[in-house]
Amino acid sequence: GAGVSQSPSNKVTEKGKDVELRCDPISGHTALYWYRQSLGQGLEFLIYFQGNSAPDKSGLPSDRFSAERTGGSVSTLTIQRTQQEDSAVYLCASSLVGQGESYGYTFGSGTRLTVV
Amino acid sequence: GQSLEQPSEVTAVEGAIVQINCTYQTSGFYGLSWYQQHDGGAPTFLSYNALDGLEETGRFSSFLSRSDSYGYLLLQELQMKDSASYFCAVRDGYSTLTFGKGTMLLVSP
Repeated sequence: GAGVSQSPSNKVTEKGKDVELRCDPISGHTALYWYRQSLGQGLEFLIYFQGNSAPDKSGLPSDRFSAERTGGSVSTLTIQRTQQEDSAVYLCASSLVGQGESYGYTFGSGTRLTVV
Repeated sequence: GQSLEQPSEVTAVEGAIVQINCTYQTSGFYGLSWYQQHDGGAPTFLSYNALDGLEETGRFSSFLSRSDSYGYLLLQELQMKDSASYFCAVRDGYSTLTFGKGTMLLVSP
């Protein structure tokens, strides 16, 4: 597609429920990233996928968080047993390998998650 | 670990020039990037500096001094549409970026 697509754009869930957030990166971009942005804060790295390599999960805050990327394209971020502190905007980005810096990441518009 | 420091807020008037500073502490360094984010929108890439010096792109310029672990974003001929948050980010590892907490720029008439 023309840009990075994320769905849903907004999600309200009850504490303790599981949620799935979807990211569809730009076609041909082999690198995919998930970040989290809390109100008025910077972007917190969560996980990074590059091609068929094992993902870099070093930013996942707890074992309630997991992500997968199928076929080197679409990615799903799953949060189990959601807590109120999980409320944030979850941003997905993609980039070309080796050009993530000079050409930058392309971000989606994010999923705003609210846990009540 | 790594940390980036940038002012939380900067104000300026239309037509003016504003500079947003960023200092960083990282275990490794592969470049400094800047991103713009309008309220409720996606961050968008503005610039990247891997080497010392000034990079110019239209009204925006970005500067890097690796010896000082310091960079800045310079915005000239400010317009109302430049009101947004600006984030500096460093790559200190393989590919992922670490972002600062952002600087909110408020441009007034």
